[in-house]
Amino acid sequence: EVQLVESGGDLVQPGGSLRLSCAASGFTFTSHIISWVRQAPGRGLEWVANMRQDGGDKYYVDSVKGRFTISRDNAKNSLYLQMNSLRAEDTAVYYCAREENGFDVWGQGTMVTVSP
Amino acid sequence: QSVLTQPPSVSAAPGQKVTISCSGSSSNIGSNYVFWYQQFPGTSPKRLIYANNKRPSGVPDRFSGSKSGTSATLGITGLQTGDEADYYCGTWDNSLSAGVFGGGTKVTVL
Repeated sequence: EVQLVESGGDLVQPGGSLRLSCAASGFTFTSHIISWVRQAPGRGLEWVANMRQDGGDKYYVDSVKGRFTISRDNAKNSLYLQMNSLRAEDTAVYYCAREENGFDVWGQGTMVTVSP
Repeated sequence: QSVLTQPPSVSAAPGQKVTISCSGSSSNIGSNYVFWYQQFPGTSPKRLIYANNKRPSGVPDRFSGSKSGTSATLGITGLQTGDEADYYCGTWDNSLSAGVFGGGTKVTVL
């Protein structure tokens, strides 16, 4: 079964850091770009970041540039999102999603709450 | 403020048709494929339409997509109560070098 499973979400104080993980299974991880997409409570979807399969080019939404870093470990079939200098507006459910003619597979999401 | 513009809500009676518009620009919809996603409360989004107008296996043909210039449209015919959900359009923006979504449209079956 093709599956993405996120983990690492937590309650963190403003200015803090958190590392999210996305574990992939059931498909050839190295053949796909995987993105991070987030959704603040009661709000719409916001694309956050992705990177090439070979770990090359990385792309970010402007609001997280310089604070978030996307990475992947192809040997572990895993994608990561290192989030630093967290702000209240980063509070959201974070999904990882496989790119295959759009986002064809989504994880269940992991909740990140930034609050004092 | 989303890069792609969708109406916040649309509604119609069971069996009727609704259309959801998605407006963008030459750097996003005008240059790339458009995708549509369906999301029920508390669940992950599901891909509904890819490459402007193609349906993945398992998606009923009541759902259709189209694109013209810098705008795209999702159509739902034979509306059912089970179609009540949020719908999002998405694509890539070449100027931003980023993925973009519309703000989402809530479909209500009257």
